[in-house]
Amino acid sequence: AQSVTQLGSHVSVSEGALVLLRCNYSSSVPPYLFWYVQYPNQGLQLLLKYTSAATLVKGINGFEAEFKKSETSFHLTKPSAHMSDAAEYFCAVSGQGGGNKLTFGTGTQLKVEL
Amino acid sequence: GAVVSQHPSWVICKSGTSVKIECRSLDFQATTMFWYRQFPKQSLMLMATSNEGSKATYEQGVEKDKFLINHASLTLSTLTVTSAHPEDSSFYICSARDWTSGAYEQYFGPGTRLTVT
Repeated sequence: AQSVTQLGSHVSVSEGALVLLRCNYSSSVPPYLFWYVQYPNQGLQLLLKYTSAATLVKGINGFEAEFKKSETSFHLTKPSAHMSDAAEYFCAVSGQGGGNKLTFGTGTQLKVEL
Repeated sequence: GAVVSQHPSWVICKSGTSVKIECRSLDFQATTMFWYRQFPKQSLMLMATSNEGSKATYEQGVEKDKFLINHASLTLSTLTVTSAHPEDSSFYICSARDWTSGAYEQYFGPGTRLTVT
């Protein structure tokens, strides 16, 4: 069984400030972890993924995330927020290997203020 | 690469009618596609897993006779909402798994907004 907890349904940051979106997971098997971004009325776009290689994963648009097994966390960060980063962000987990389903967190709405 | 399309992007239908939504992987073959439902300001809930050439696997609580899924080819899966009612109004998103990527990640379509009046 797998689950994802995203702390904070809404996060607000100033433009240029650090972005930190929290994700903790629970998995009975070694996990794959993903961060997706969703803009209004659109599907999901993959930001980055952890697939048991490097624990620090770099993604698109300047985002990165670090897999910490001891903390069962996969927090998403970006050093400097841009207005265009305002969107809904979803963390997701699946078991390693084929055929495994994605389980999504409840999402975090990121607001970027001037 | 790894583009997934959905058609239509939005549809309005009357209560009692059926609506078909198509999901296509445009530049890769997808033996597995997934159908999700998303209510406003909520997360994605997996409805079913669609496997090419076999019956779909539905999640608990999803009526398989109401949400008919057909995965006729390696690039096309369809979701038919039969006898739609207003409570079926939602945002439906499909995804396709690219088995060649090695990480089994899913690529998502842009979604279909269904409104039942």
